[in-house]
Amino acid sequence: RKEVEQDPGPFNVPEGATVAFNCTYSNSASQSFFWYRQDCRKEPKLLMSVYSSGNEDGRFTAQLNRASQYISLLIRDSKLSDSATYLCAVSLNAGNNRKLIWGLGTSLAVNP
Amino acid sequence: ETGVTQTPRHLVMGMTNKKSLKCEQHLGHNAMYWYKQSAKKPLELMFVYNFKEQTENNSVPSRFSPECPNSSHLFLHLHTLQPEDSALYLCASSQSSGRDGQYFGPGTRLTVT
Repeated sequence: RKEVEQDPGPFNVPEGATVAFNCTYSNSASQSFFWYRQDCRKEPKLLMSVYSSGNEDGRFTAQLNRASQYISLLIRDSKLSDSATYLCAVSLNAGNNRKLIWGLGTSLAVNP
Repeated sequence: ETGVTQTPRHLVMGMTNKKSLKCEQHLGHNAMYWYKQSAKKPLELMFVYNFKEQTENNSVPSRFSPECPNSSHLFLHLHTLQPEDSALYLCASSQSSGRDGQYFGPGTRLTVT
């Protein structure tokens, strides 16, 4: 099993749709979880940290399910500008939040 | 955004050349990172520095040599690279704890001929 797994997609959705991505991780000791977005030929940009209680930032909601070892990202009312690759990153273990293991990313295309 | 800057943005080098990549962060962070991003592969962590001390070396070949003179600057010295080293090299920084996530520079797109 890969350490961090994401469905590569692509997810093609119309503007205004709600879309959700999951990211599973293998190490139950992981403590820090993040969602990043990466546009084509650009660097990853931090979208959200994922907290145990779940967190929301505008149209974006992130959740953590420790029992099933996955994190999720929900995007409501999709915009054309949301088209990007969404990467999840998980810390290696409880003692080292600097060492992140990355998923391959999920590609999202929002269509007019 | 100029939180983390990298130079050069593009680099073409022959296998016998020596070159250096530079990274500077203006975020007041104490941890800095080098990553390699190749097509169809996840981001690969290469090196981590925390308060100028190297804390991770992810079995990187010795033809890549990092240098961290202070918490704001990070270099990656390259020599006798191979064509398979062609990739996007990303620098990132974070707070020492790493708990608030890492912030990336725009990257150097390296082509080894």
